[in-house]
Amino acid sequence: GENVEQHPSTLSVQEGDSAVIKCTYSDSASNYFPWYKQELGKRPQLIIDIRSNVGEKKDQRIAVTLNKTAKHFSLHITETQPEDSAVYFCAASIWGNNNDMRFGAGTRLTVKP
Amino acid sequence: DAGVTQSPTHLIKTRGQQVTLRCSPISGHKSVSWYQQVLGQGPQFIFQYYEKEERGRGNFPDRFSARQFPNYSSELNVNALLLGDSALYLCASSGQAHNEQFFGPGTRLTVL
Repeated sequence: GENVEQHPSTLSVQEGDSAVIKCTYSDSASNYFPWYKQELGKRPQLIIDIRSNVGEKKDQRIAVTLNKTAKHFSLHITETQPEDSAVYFCAASIWGNNNDMRFGAGTRLTVKP
Repeated sequence: DAGVTQSPTHLIKTRGQQVTLRCSPISGHKSVSWYQQVLGQGPQFIFQYYEKEERGRGNFPDRFSARQFPNYSSELNVNALLLGDSALYLCASSGQAHNEQFFGPGTRLTVL
C-alpha cells in the first residue's frame, strides 16, 4: 500500500520568510496530492491540491510542486504570516478513489512575528 | 450552507464499552469517509462509504464498523473499547469529484 513521509516535523520561520514542506510517496499509481491545514483544536482544511497531470499549482501565497519521477511533492508558502501557524498534512491517493487516502505525519509550522 | 457535522463533540468511555459516532455530510455529498487521528499524527483511514455501500476499509480490527443511511449520514461503531482507541475521529465528505474531501470538526474519544 501507499506510504507517505513528510519532512520536517517542525518548522519555525520569521514572518515574511518562505516555508517549504516536503513529502514523498511510494505508490506510483497515486495521482492526487492534497494539502491540509489544521489549526489547534480545529478540523483539517484543504488548502491546495494537485493532480499528476501538472507539475505545479499556485494559489496566491501557496504553491505545490510535484515530481512524479522522484515521487515527491512540496508545499511552498511565501510571505508567511503569523496566521499561517498550524499543522500541515500532505496526503496521497488515486483520483476518483477515496478509499485509501494516506496522510503524512504532519509538519508543525510556527511563524514568529 | 452547513459543512460536515459530527456528534458528539467529546465522549468519555471506559475500556470494554461500545461507542457510536455520527456524521452528516455536506448537502449533496454522497461519500463519507472516517479517519482516526491520534495526537501528533496524521489521520488514518478507517472506512469509506459511497451510496450506502462500503467502498474501502483501512487496517483496523473488526471491532470497528460503520454504515451509511439513505440520507447519506453515517455512523461509526467501535466495540470493546481499548485505551489505544482514544483519538480524534474525523468524518469527511466528498461529492461528485470523490477526492476533494471536506472534514467535520471531529469527535474526541477518551477511553479510560
